[in-house]
Amino acid sequence: GESVGLHLPTLSVQEGDNSIINCAYSNSASDYFIWYKQESGKGPQFIIDIRSNMDKRQGQRVTVLLNKTVKHLSLQIAATQPGDSAVYFCAEVGGSQGNLIFGKGTKLSVKP
Amino acid sequence: DAGVIQSPRHEVTEMGQEVTLRCKPISGHNSLFWYRQTMMRGLELLIYFNNNVPIDDSGMPEDRFSAKMPNASFSTLKIQPSEPRDSAVYFCASSKKTGRQAAYEQYFGPGTRLTVT
Repeated sequence: GESVGLHLPTLSVQEGDNSIINCAYSNSASDYFIWYKQESGKGPQFIIDIRSNMDKRQGQRVTVLLNKTVKHLSLQIAATQPGDSAVYFCAEVGGSQGNLIFGKGTKLSVKP
Repeated sequence: DAGVIQSPRHEVTEMGQEVTLRCKPISGHNSLFWYRQTMMRGLELLIYFNNNVPIDDSGMPEDRFSAKMPNASFSTLKIQPSEPRDSAVYFCASSKKTGRQAAYEQYFGPGTRLTVT
């Protein structure tokens, strides 16, 4: 599959454990944030989003937390499964045209 | 729905050759984006079309890169002449929305892995 990075930060967790992936964003004016999942050989896939007027948003097995004071996002995955193994990117929406600005990504590896 | 379709999936070419990457957005989508992904720079936006019109090409690296969208169902990204530093995975994405809202809902294709030797 496509290699998205050999030098990405890597998080290794045991199947069934919870995972927390962190991201720092750059622009304090960004008002919308998205987490993407990228599996080997595929394009990024939307997981969950959050607006800047919220601190927390929950989806199915995933929760995103936003701390605007320190410009930090986190993605929590409950009961991590082997199918969650992928590279995870945070993205912020900036500019008048709404360009997506992606973070560097974190590789999640789930051990069975 | 077939999703965003990109071709070829893999391209290997020699330095100096022309390379054309192709994208078919999801039917009915009004915005189209070309991204480049490398180990060093991550995912970067190259150019963005809204209703077939280029809106923001500030991410296009240099004059060797050009992109067209002759109709709502087809776009190309051309590199001429290609150089080894152009080696990357190139993604196309489309959105039903336009303007700022297009960023909220983008669907990515599987990418084209380009290797320039």
